[in-house]
Amino acid sequence: NAGVMQNPRHLVRRRGQEARLRCSPMKGHSHVYWYRQLPEEGLKFMVYLQKENIIDESGMPKERFSAEFPKEGPSILRIQQVVRGDSAAYFCASSPRSFGELFFGEGSRLTVL
Amino acid sequence: GQQVMQIPQYQHVQEGEDFTTYCNSSTTLSNIQWYKQRPGGHPVFLIQLVKSGEVKKQKRLTFQFGEAKKNSSLHITATQTTDVGTYFCAGLGSSNTGKLIFGQGTTLQVKP
Repeated sequence: NAGVMQNPRHLVRRRGQEARLRCSPMKGHSHVYWYRQLPEEGLKFMVYLQKENIIDESGMPKERFSAEFPKEGPSILRIQQVVRGDSAAYFCASSPRSFGELFFGEGSRLTVL
Repeated sequence: GQQVMQIPQYQHVQEGEDFTTYCNSSTTLSNIQWYKQRPGGHPVFLIQLVKSGEVKKQKRLTFQFGEAKKNSSLHITATQTTDVGTYFCAGLGSSNTGKLIFGQGTTLQVKP
């Protein structure tokens, strides 16, 4: 059973460009979470999705950031018009149920030049 | 909003010494989870505690959930260099949507 797959692992963008981060949850998992981590810091909750639904997006900036988890295909975290402050590691995690343990991917490290 | 706080932020110990990290929530938690992240790696689930006053052990690791379900601790006996990493506690958000809020983590360094 493959783990949570994230791609790309590393992404470099220039200011103003768009970043798309993908996450394929573990087989059978319908709950997906996105977290952001700055160097030497903790995991900041961004968004929690179930198939086709956003359950909690209280951690997402109101502008430029969006997330989806379509019926078919991976979950996507999209950052439009990136700025240097968006540089961070973005971790996706999946779970087979709500209130359950999270299985994390290896992260996507975004660098904005 | 709800906060989950961890102390200390950093801990340096000599190999063989014990280590404890403490986790406190501003609200009552339905459960608490612990994760470990190795340097450069991703968080890995360690354990979940659900019951008030619950104590669970995994080899040299002992996890406790407070009676009021607002605090928790992780204790490592006789640390080894393989214990190096950052330990996070995480609790469900008070909004009860299933959102898991992580503490800032305690980074453990072990000197051989």
